[in-house]
Amino acid sequence: DQQVKQNSPSLSVQEGRISILNCDYTNSMFDYFLWYKKYPAEGPTFLISISSIKDKNEDGRFTVFLNKSAKHLSLHIVPSQPGDSAVYFCAALTTDSWGKFQFGAGTQVVVTP
Amino acid sequence: NAGVTQTPKFQVLKTGQSMTLQCAQDMNHEYMSWYRQDPGMGLRLIHYSVGAGITDQGEVPNGYNVSRSTTEDFPLRLLSAAPSQTSVYFCASFSPPQGEKTQYFGPGTRLLVL
Repeated sequence: DQQVKQNSPSLSVQEGRISILNCDYTNSMFDYFLWYKKYPAEGPTFLISISSIKDKNEDGRFTVFLNKSAKHLSLHIVPSQPGDSAVYFCAALTTDSWGKFQFGAGTQVVVTP
Repeated sequence: NAGVTQTPKFQVLKTGQSMTLQCAQDMNHEYMSWYRQDPGMGLRLIHYSVGAGITDQGEVPNGYNVSRSTTEDFPLRLLSAAPSQTSVYFCASFSPPQGEKTQYFGPGTRLLVL
């Protein structure tokens, strides 16, 4: 039973525009959320995270929004750049079960010139 | 500072063979974990460890064994490989929740079981 879902397998966006990636979760006990970026033939790399006590976290071009009532988080990338073309995974866990990260299936982002 | 290293990068096995995937980290992280990545499934947790001598099962532990005798190493053993274990395997290390809240991943091992 997948508790973290990324329902869009792919996203195409023009360079300079905004990329919005979505992630839904079913477990209301999750209290920490992360986004990872993955290039082919490499391991995932951490991008940005958010605790459930916040509803927004920004780091440069990346902003993560958390809507706890809807059990939904999103990642905004502004402006999108060609180097952002990658697979993006969202992950969630409860800090009481630190170690049991649950990942979504990923969204392939393609940034076109 | 090498981070998280994994060996081998690629391996072909026949059904029933055994092998060990190696993982090492030099960041002195207490926590380590193993994932497999399959198309359309994302990353699924196989086993994880919260310190030397302590391991626990993740989401898909069947067919895999782990042990953690040192902080640095966390090998994953396939005792009798099956075609369903064809996948890309990632090892990760990370700090406790009081510290830096992220995982560092290795480059992956691509395994093909015939």
